[in-house]
Amino acid sequence: KQEVTQIPAALSVPEGENLVLNCSFTDSAIYNLQWFRQDPGKGLTSLLLIQSSQREQTSGRLNASLDKSSGRSTLYIAASQPGDSATYLCAALRSNDYKLSFGAGTTVTVRA
Amino acid sequence: EAGVAQSPRYKIIEKRQSVAFWCNPISGHATLYWYQQILGQGPKLLIQFQNNGVVDDSQLPKDRFSAERLKGVDSTLKIQPAKLEDSAVYLCASSPHSYEQYFGPGTRLTVT
Repeated sequence: KQEVTQIPAALSVPEGENLVLNCSFTDSAIYNLQWFRQDPGKGLTSLLLIQSSQREQTSGRLNASLDKSSGRSTLYIAASQPGDSATYLCAALRSNDYKLSFGAGTTVTVRA
Repeated sequence: EAGVAQSPRYKIIEKRQSVAFWCNPISGHATLYWYQQILGQGPKLLIQFQNNGVVDDSQLPKDRFSAERLKGVDSTLKIQPAKLEDSAVYLCASSPHSYEQYFGPGTRLTVT
């Protein structure tokens, strides 16, 4: 069974600081790994999807890395803004049955 | 392209009442998923449909939850009778294949 862990559970930073969010997974047999953003009580917005053959993926201020062998992914958000305040979830897609396993998320607060 | 639609967005009911949620997937997406997300946790898969057939309902509490997918398009998820622990965000997702899921805005259910 795939276990996905996100540490820390919550993070508060001043505006302008870079954010580093961690995700670890127990089963390295993944097809891809995805990072989502979730605003309170709302649905999931996909931020980045990294295929298992890739090492990283970038979109604007966001960069996600993947180290499949060690079961880790990191999401970097450069020059954080108050609008980045949200919960960020990672999800690993298993190769054998394409089931998506989510972490519990990291709740980020960016202080103006 | 229109995204996944869900309704209602919010629902408050008393315990032992029944409730139904509706989902309209992205046009042409054969696979549809229902997830339950309890506050502070990652989404958990309840049921997966491929066209109008059930692929996986192993995590669906079948004594009180039911779901159907009409003509391989829209889907409804029903809870009868509701319990306090059913308070959660219910997310619908669809996929044209197994590799990437697209999520709707969710329905926030509060059971009092």
